[in-house]
Amino acid sequence: GQNIDQPTEMTATEGAIVQINCTYQTSGFNGLFWYQQHAGEAPTFLSYNVLDGLEEKGRFSSFLSRSKGYSYLLLKELQMKDSASYLCAAMDSNYQLIWGAGTKLIIKP
Amino acid sequence: GAVVSQHPSWVICKSGTSVKIECRSLDFQATTMFWYRQFPKQSLMLMATSNEGSKATYEQGVEKDKFLINHASLTLSTLTVTSAHPEDSSFYICSASQGTDTGELFFGEGSRLTVL
Repeated sequence: GQNIDQPTEMTATEGAIVQINCTYQTSGFNGLFWYQQHAGEAPTFLSYNVLDGLEEKGRFSSFLSRSKGYSYLLLKELQMKDSASYLCAAMDSNYQLIWGAGTKLIIKP
Repeated sequence: GAVVSQHPSWVICKSGTSVKIECRSLDFQATTMFWYRQFPKQSLMLMATSNEGSKATYEQGVEKDKFLINHASLTLSTLTVTSAHPEDSSFYICSASQGTDTGELFFGEGSRLTVL
């Protein structure tokens, strides 16, 4: 079956670095997405990886290993506004997104 | 970036009434739009894929007669919750793709439905 696993909740300190992991099993693979979702709001796009390696975008970086079915989202210089849920989603061979349950990130001062 | 607008943001209705939620792509044409439902502290649940000019494709377990989806144009899809009941209270979100290589989805703001 198709499955996405990511931690339910993580806590980090303002100014620190946090890594949110995601493992996936899909029928075929057409890329891995990370979205940020603040409570009560719709998700916003953060990153897309389809090739192995690290992609950096400012304070956020995303890594993909296709052979391991593994991705992570790295957030640096954490700010209080980064408190949100981070959704990992993998696109299968039918170009359908399989969503993880999301990781709630709590930032403490 | 591309903008998807969803309306209304909040709606409260009485049990038994029907509610329509609109999803518009404001600056691009979206041949495909997606409708999701999200319960508190849970992930997005894909309800259906809306294709312009054809019938929507519903996910398993989603009642097509209860959740009517119409995609009349390349910029508008609507979700109608018919004969709403309190258990239909939820956060409904739409998304659309520009069809680029990244497959990036742009989400509407979401519509919070409360059925009394």
